[in-house]
Amino acid sequence: GAGVSQSPSNKVTEKGKDVELRCDPISGHTALYWYRQRLGQGLEFLIYFQGNSAPDKSGLPSDRFSAERTGESVSTLTIQRTQQEDSAVYLCASSLLGSSSTDTQYFGPGTRLTVL
Amino acid sequence: AQSVAQPEDQVNVAEGNPLTVKCTYSVSGNPYLFWYVQYPNRGLQFLLKYITGDNLVKGSYGFEAEFNKSQTSFHLKKPSALVSDSALYFCAVRDKGNYGQNFVFGPGTRLSVLP
Repeated sequence: GAGVSQSPSNKVTEKGKDVELRCDPISGHTALYWYRQRLGQGLEFLIYFQGNSAPDKSGLPSDRFSAERTGESVSTLTIQRTQQEDSAVYLCASSLLGSSSTDTQYFGPGTRLTVL
Repeated sequence: AQSVAQPEDQVNVAEGNPLTVKCTYSVSGNPYLFWYVQYPNRGLQFLLKYITGDNLVKGSYGFEAEFNKSQTSFHLKKPSALVSDSALYFCAVRDKGNYGQNFVFGPGTRLSVLP
């Protein structure tokens, strides 16, 4: 079946512009995660959605970052007034039941964001 | 707080030789442990996980990992490396007792298998 998809695959923007990144999770997965991966570094947790519960936003680096999720489907990560340090690959993952279980996260291919 | 360490940034091994990618963790309770692999320009792919039971876990592509509670380690191993195994490997942990707490990923280890 279809995996996690993300769009766009690449995004180049100018400093100060807003960007929206999209994630389509695997159908039926209740949990959705956003991570940031800077060049040559590990994954940095950003935000986590679980069903209708309030999202865990503890990883968002600043108030320029926000994310929404419509029910148990698509999520968008928005970065306002982008800065050069926002340049990274943004990875989305989904899992069937969420972090209160043993289930596995399945990752999308990522969106590579470059802020000039 | 939970944490994961991957002490080697880079591991080089000759094709056909056994490989080990190291991971140590810290959690307040009992852990769930995962290994993921990232090929160039691709997302992360799940390799294997330890939840409970047998300390030796077998996963995809011939990889296995051994959970060692006393050493708080979960090293990834493969008996005979392939050039196609060259990739970035991430270890991740979550504390079983902390529902709602998210996974923490290690910084990654780049594996290069030389022909």
